[in-house]
Amino acid sequence: QLQLQESGPGLVKPSETLSLTCTVSGGSISSSSYYWGWIRQPPGKGLEWIGSIYYSGSTYYNPSLKSRVTISVDTSKNQFSLKLSSVTAADTAVYYCARTEPTMIVRDWGQGTLVTVSS
Amino acid sequence: QSALTQPASVSGSPGQSITISCTGTSSDVGGYNYVSWYQQHPGKAPKLMIYEVSNRPSGVSNRFSGSKSGNTASLTISGLQAEDEADYYCSSYTSSSPWVFGGGTKLTVL
Repeated sequence: QLQLQESGPGLVKPSETLSLTCTVSGGSISSSSYYWGWIRQPPGKGLEWIGSIYYSGSTYYNPSLKSRVTISVDTSKNQFSLKLSSVTAADTAVYYCARTEPTMIVRDWGQGTLVTVSS
Repeated sequence: QSALTQPASVSGSPGQSITISCTGTSSDVGGYNYVSWYQQHPGKAPKLMIYEVSNRPSGVSNRFSGSKSGNTASLTISGLQAEDEADYYCSSYTSSSPWVFGGGTKLTVL
């Protein structure tokens, strides 16, 4: 049974960089069949895809966030990470990590972690 | 990229059928059979209900079905049950992004 677990600070100051890590267990992040992605959901609002990464390091980002987003993978630790720079209150959201199929099907989600941007 | 368009809310009585629409363009919904639907209960992660327009994952009730016509995809829930009350999101592969979600629809079971 694949499990994904987000970890990282729950509070980030405006203008700083949000950093989250997703630890994958019960499966290998080096699988050639999947991408690994981040999706967020502001309180009371809808889902927004942030970006995805392949185990080889190829990345795909939401054009609206691309200038501020970096997603990386560490196959030795079976983890992938998100960095979102220059955050504002609008970046306050529950951040989910997920395993994604090439056609953007998500069968496996992390439980989500709330990140609040506030001074 | 613009989100796919969904009605903000729909409602139905137990036992009835409801349909949630998801409207995009020829660059997303209309151009690919890569539309998925997710159910989300409060405080929980989304759950995949339909993928590739009309396929149901193992374990999802056959009361849930999906279809597509032109640039609009639809999720139909038949025999509504109280447990179906949740938020529903569509998503689609797009030629530009490559992934976009709908704005979400709140389903109320009366």
